[in-house]
Amino acid sequence: GAGVSQSPRYKVAKRGQDVALRCDPISGHVSLFWYQQALGQGPEFLTYFQNEAQLDKSGLPSDRFFAERPEGSVSTLKIQRTQQEDSAVYLCASSFAGTANTEAFFGQGTRLTVV
Amino acid sequence: KNQVEQSPQSLIILEGKNCTLQCNYTVSPFSNLRWYKQDTGRGPVSLTIMTFSENTKSNGRYTATLDADTKQSSLHITASQLSDSASYICVVTITGGGNKLTFGTGTQLKVEL
Repeated sequence: GAGVSQSPRYKVAKRGQDVALRCDPISGHVSLFWYQQALGQGPEFLTYFQNEAQLDKSGLPSDRFFAERPEGSVSTLKIQRTQQEDSAVYLCASSFAGTANTEAFFGQGTRLTVV
Repeated sequence: KNQVEQSPQSLIILEGKNCTLQCNYTVSPFSNLRWYKQDTGRGPVSLTIMTFSENTKSNGRYTATLDADTKQSSLHITASQLSDSASYICVVTITGGGNKLTFGTGTQLKVEL
């Protein structure tokens, strides 16, 4: 595709339910990032992949959050036993190279609402 | 504690007018500073990227400046249009941070007729 694609666009989950959010990065992009954006706030870093390797997961708020990118392309962010404070927009971004000055392209995000 | 602070928090201007948004950061050392535009319900879109050695970068009606000594940046929008209504977010890339982007909370701009 032409850009970063995320699915679903919207997800409503009951508290305690597990959810999986998908990110299709731009083809050929080495780096992939997940961010969490609370209402009215800027995005906050969750985790970073270079190809299939998860190089930084320091932003994951708890062990209920898990991300994978097994073949170095599509990535899935899984949240187990969702809680109300998990409600946010989850943004995925990808970039061609792992260098700091490379442009990062964002998807439209998945809005998760936990009820 | 947010390492990237932006002001004002929100701003309303008339179409055709200019405006300047401010960003102060405490992140150091950093690789680059970016300005993103985020429309409601959309992902952020990059406007400019500046390394620490650059003072200014333009992209159409958008001009960003950077003063690495004072750790300040600004985004100047010229001849505003209704479509400029969005959140403008200042973002700093931390050196050695695995390209981790540190976002400010944004300035919400509304352009009115």
